Amino acid sequence: QVQLVQSGAEVKKPGASVKVSCKAYGYTFIAYYVHWVRQAPGQGLEWMGMINPSGGSTNYAQKFQGRVTITRDTSTNTVYMDLRSLRSEDTAFYFCARGDSGYNSQWLDYWAQGTLVSVSS
Amino acid sequence: SYVVTQPPSVSVAPRKTATISCEANNIGSTRVHWYQQKPGQAPVLVVFDNSDRPSGIPARFSGSNSGNTASLTISRVEAGDEADYYCQVWNVDSDHVVFGGGTKLTVL
Repeated sequence: QVQLVQSGAEVKKPGASVKVSCKAYGYTFIAYYVHWVRQAPGQGLEWMGMINPSGGSTNYAQKFQGRVTITRDTSTNTVYMDLRSLRSEDTAFYFCARGDSGYNSQWLDYWAQGTLVSVSS
Repeated sequence: SYVVTQPPSVSVAPRKTATISCEANNIGSTRVHWYQQKPGQAPVLVVFDNSDRPSGIPARFSGSNSGNTASLTISRVEAGDEADYYCQVWNVDSDHVVFGGGTKLTVL
């Protein structure tokens, strides 16, 4: 069955970088986009960006442009999200999710368990 | 940027019907998707393409979309439906995902 599994919790200092992985199981990896969504404590969902695993093209939310990089490794069916110049406001759960699509739309049909990234001096 | 607005909270008695709205300019011209998130868990897709349900989602969950308002309706509400609900659209101009702010559903 379809499953996405993320790497474990991270604790980082301000100014550092974090790289979270998302390994896909149970479907054709290159056939579906993978998205990254974050959720600060007690807050709503915030879309960060996505990658097309087939060609590697990416699209990022303006808020994260220049600070986030999403990559993929088709040999291991894994997507990575790299967030740089971390600040305390980046403390959040980070989720990857598979994107399914229809006519002029995408939705997120399978989600991973989430990774807590804590940023503190 | 495209802004999607949800009420912060909705309360409903057990076995009644809950309706959660999602408002944006001309949202009826796009497709709306809905997620349920319980505390400490990842979101779960409950409705996609305005009114379709993924397999395993009860028929009590339904969606509609017209004009400036999309809605998620939960009939015969159960205690286990208490959760945060998020609507989501796809911005075709930017190829971005846009989430509403979320609605906390409380079962009285």
